[in-house]
Amino acid sequence: NAGVTQTPKFQVLKTGQSMTLQCAQDMNHEYMSWYRQDPGMGLRLIHYSVGAGITDQGEVPNGYNVSRSTTEDFPLRLLSAAPSQTSVYFCATSGTPNQETQYFGPGTRLLVL
Amino acid sequence: GIQVEQSPPDLILQEGANSTLRCNFSDSVNNLQWFHQNPWGQLINLFYIPSGTKQNGRLSATTVATERYSLLYISSSQTTDSGVYFCAVEGSASGTYKYIFGTGTRLKVLA
Repeated sequence: NAGVTQTPKFQVLKTGQSMTLQCAQDMNHEYMSWYRQDPGMGLRLIHYSVGAGITDQGEVPNGYNVSRSTTEDFPLRLLSAAPSQTSVYFCATSGTPNQETQYFGPGTRLLVL
Repeated sequence: GIQVEQSPPDLILQEGANSTLRCNFSDSVNNLQWFHQNPWGQLINLFYIPSGTKQNGRLSATTVATERYSLLYISSSQTTDSGVYFCAVEGSASGTYKYIFGTGTRLKVLA
């Protein structure tokens, strides 16, 4: 039981490049979400999903796309990376968003030059 | 939207000391969670506590939703308690499933 996994652990991009951050969970959780954490700050919600085929925007969605085709996977896409997207990205899951605790992946550190 | 403030921003303790971390929020909440981020960056859930009091070993938490605050108590602190403690709230008005995090309390426990 791996819990929540994220790949890659670290990535360097040039401005304008695209990439996908992967998040997978094996806990059969319905709710999944993406956060970014910038130095000295708390986490900010980017996008979330309450089940396969259902996604919605969080606090800072601009520049990011998501889709949820399966319960297990929730990829985050950067279509045209910008230096302002340099951050640490965390994926989180819970069985139900408002009745259970959230479990976080180990994070992906992204540097955009 | 809902504002979340944590205090103190930084805290240094000697091993064995007790501490209280506070989380204030500006509006009514549906849910509240406390997390610990260890020095390696891993986020661990400590408590899911929209109201009332819970205890887990040396840690306990109390949320008084009507007065819009939550407290995290750490007793007999250990060096492994070092890291950043975050509270996160889901505001009643800000939308279901949208958690807002505070900026955290950075704790350092000295041996």
